[in-house]
Order: sequence, then C-alpha cells, then structure tokens
Amino acid sequence: TQLLEQSPQFLSIQEGENLTVYCNSSSVFSSLQWYRQEPGEGPVLLVTVVTGGEVKKLKRLTFQFGDARKDSSLHITAAQPGDTGLYLCAGEGDSNYQLIWGAGTKLIIKP
Amino acid sequence: KAGVTQTPRYLIKTRGQQVTLSCSPISGHRSVSWYQQTPGQGLQFLFEYFSETQRNKGNFPGRFSGRQFSNSRSEMNVSTLELGDSALYLCASSPRTGNNSPLHFGNGTRLTVT
Repeated sequence: TQLLEQSPQFLSIQEGENLTVYCNSSSVFSSLQWYRQEPGEGPVLLVTVVTGGEVKKLKRLTFQFGDARKDSSLHITAAQPGDTGLYLCAGEGDSNYQLIWGAGTKLIIKP
Repeated sequence: KAGVTQTPRYLIKTRGQQVTLSCSPISGHRSVSWYQQTPGQGLQFLFEYFSETQRNKGNFPGRFSGRQFSNSRSEMNVSTLELGDSALYLCASSPRTGNNSPLHFGNGTRLTVT
C-alpha cells in the first residue's frame, strides 16, 4: 500500500519567517501534486512535479521533487498571512485512477 | 469559465436518513470524482465517474453511491446516515480520467449528521 506522510501536521509562525513542509513516502511516485485549501473552500492545485530532482517556483513558494521521486518539499520564503491554509500533497502511484493523498499540513501565518 | 459548483453548501440530517449531494463540473470536463474530508483523515476517495461510467471506487460501504448524467453533472447519495458520515464532501472535475489529470475542486458540501 502506497502512503504519503506530511510533516509537520500543524505549523504556526509569524509573518516574514521562512518555512518548509514535507511530503514523504517509501514508494516511488510518477508525479506529485501540491494543493492549498483555504477555510471554507476546496483545494486548489499549486503545482505538479514530474521529474526526480525537479524544482518549481511559484512566487515565494519553491517546490522540489526528490531525486528518487519518493518525497517532496515545499519551501515558503517570507510567509504572508495569505499563505494560511491546509497544504496537501497527492501522488500518482501504481493505480491508474486513484491519487494517493497525504493528510496535510495546516499552516497559520500570524500578522 | 465557471468553476465546479456543489449544492447544497450545508446540510443537517438525522441518523438513518438519506441525502443526495449534487456537483456540476467545469464545462467540458467529463471526469467527476468525489472525496470525503474529515479532520485528521485527509481526503478519502469515494469514486470517480467518466462519461457516465464509474471508473474506480474507494473503500466505502455500499451506503455510498453515485451517478453521472449525460451532461457530466454528478450526484452522490448516502443512505442510512450515521454520525460518522459527518464530513465535508468534495467534488472535483477533470478534463480526462487518470490520476495524472489535475483536479478542479468545488467548495464542498458540509454534512452534519445528528
């Protein structure tokens, strides 16, 4: 059974600080997606990483896919209150029709 | 382009009742997936429909069922509601099936069972 573990489960920091959240597995994934879910809304796709070692940037957010395609990280520089939300990773695994989801990291950025 | 629309937004039901949730996908999207989201459990996959056919089903009891219409709109039904069914139910549409296709989520239906 393929699993994705996200850490930390909860993170509360001050505006302007940097942070990194992780999405780890013992299994290899063909690709990995990151979503952000704000309170009262559905998840919104941020990025898809496909190649081992790939780095993608989205303004102050940097996503990296591990060389072995078993893990991924999301780094936020100078966090803003607008970054507050639940960050979810989802992996394309062995099943052709079902993504494997992590439980999420709940991030709160205090002004 | 209109996003994914889920109705109703909030629902309160009593144990033993049944409920039907509705999802209208983005125009042109033929795949609709349903997820249950509870605190600490993350997103649990219920099922996916593509061109009116159920393509895949998660590990939920038979009380959970769904269907998709010819216009790609989808409904999900839960019968004999239990307290543990209280959750946010999310619908996501995609232009194609397959787990590498990006999902576009609606804002969900918050179901409370008392």
